[in-house]
Amino acid sequence: QQQVKQSPQSLIVQKGGISIINCAYENTAFDYFPWYQQFPGKGPALLIAIRPDVSEKKEGRFTISFNKSAKQFSLHIMDSQPGDSATYFCAASTLQGAQKLVFGQGTRLTINP
Amino acid sequence: EPEVTQTPSHQVTQMGQEVILRCVPISNHLYFYWYRQILGQKVEFLVSFYNNEISEKSEIFDDQFSVERPDGSNFTLKIRSTKLEDSAMYFCASRWYSYDEKLFFGSGTQLSVL
Repeated sequence: QQQVKQSPQSLIVQKGGISIINCAYENTAFDYFPWYQQFPGKGPALLIAIRPDVSEKKEGRFTISFNKSAKQFSLHIMDSQPGDSATYFCAASTLQGAQKLVFGQGTRLTINP
Repeated sequence: EPEVTQTPSHQVTQMGQEVILRCVPISNHLYFYWYRQILGQKVEFLVSFYNNEISEKSEIFDDQFSVERPDGSNFTLKIRSTKLEDSAMYFCASRWYSYDEKLFFGSGTQLSVL
């Protein structure tokens, strides 16, 4: 019940295209859904996050879409650039208590120039 | 931007040896965490620490693991008797206050147990 499932495992997109990564969760107590970006040799860095009271959040080229009834959320990267090539992790937690993050398996995104 | 600092970046040890991984969280942060990432796998929660005590730990965090905040700036993870399966990247993370969502991660310590 604590799992977060992420797909695809890897994704190749042409420069300027839209990258879409999907996640699904099981625990309905989760109320915070961040996306992290990780470059090789670095720690995860918070990219964008959403709470379940909204269905969409946009920050620049990055958008989270959230479907509470389906228990799914996705990251859309518009106008994908080679510098976006990284591993992306979705995660979920509750905002009560320790707020431990449960991560998805990760998606290795490659943007071809 | 403030950073979480971890040392060393790489640590090689023999099975059965003790290791201490060190972290300096962001200075005004109050909540501290250790996560680990086995090569090619997802990031996993190990332990959270607040007010000088463990607030939550995972099944991975058994009696071989301990955490400590020995002074006002450092936060350490000790593995008493390392096993081959402890080989992973260990990330320290911190956040400011109870309802602050933003978690800052360090760059990690790559632990290799031989």
